[in-house]
Amino acid sequence: QSVLTQPPSVSGAPGQRVTISCTGSSSNIGAGYDVHWYQQLPGTAPKLLIYGNSNRPSGVPDRFSGSKSGTSASLAITGLQAEDEADYYCQSYDSSLREWVFGGGTKLTVL
Amino acid sequence: EVQLVESGGVVVQPGGSLRLSCAASGFTFDDYTMHWVRQAPGKGLEWVSLISWDGGSTYYADSVKGRFTISRDNSKNSLYLQMNSLRTEDTALYYCAKIETAMAILDAFDIWGQGTMVTVSS
Repeated sequence: QSVLTQPPSVSGAPGQRVTISCTGSSSNIGAGYDVHWYQQLPGTAPKLLIYGNSNRPSGVPDRFSGSKSGTSASLAITGLQAEDEADYYCQSYDSSLREWVFGGGTKLTVL
Repeated sequence: EVQLVESGGVVVQPGGSLRLSCAASGFTFDDYTMHWVRQAPGKGLEWVSLISWDGGSTYYADSVKGRFTISRDNSKNSLYLQMNSLRTEDTALYYCAKIETAMAILDAFDIWGQGTMVTVSS
């Protein structure tokens, strides 16, 4: 059971918009710690997608956006493309556990 | 080019020991906090350990505390993970990862290696 809760899977057709939620608690996201998002394409290492809740590293398309509110965060992907099919993970810090924590991951399927 | 290359993963028996290495290049290694993250086959990401840029602070997941030791040699641009008393549940692909901001602790992991596979099996 992950400290950060994500839906196991989401899907959407090409061109559509999908969102992936990441629900935490008062000891992690709710305590003000930043949420970061990673994309893991099949058979590859994770790649930083969003840092500091809503910032995109250089080279990440603006189709990807992040937000945070209260004890939750969200990743939105607009204009869905086949190449977006991957696993997505949220990550933060938990002050009660004194550990860096990941969500369980969400598999995005492009229909 | 910023790069991290892990090595040392093998098949080891339960109760055995292993040391993983991570060679860093393309950035000022001794300015950055480093992490180990693992991924069991078909499972999600699990944070394992952190070491600050100067080696002065280390943190561990409860699942490995007392068994694993993280260290670094800044003169060799290298990160290590000494793994003792290995269990079957430690079987995973182990990644090293760099923090995005110099001399920070809580920032995102901006660069990841390709991983090295550790299999604990009799």
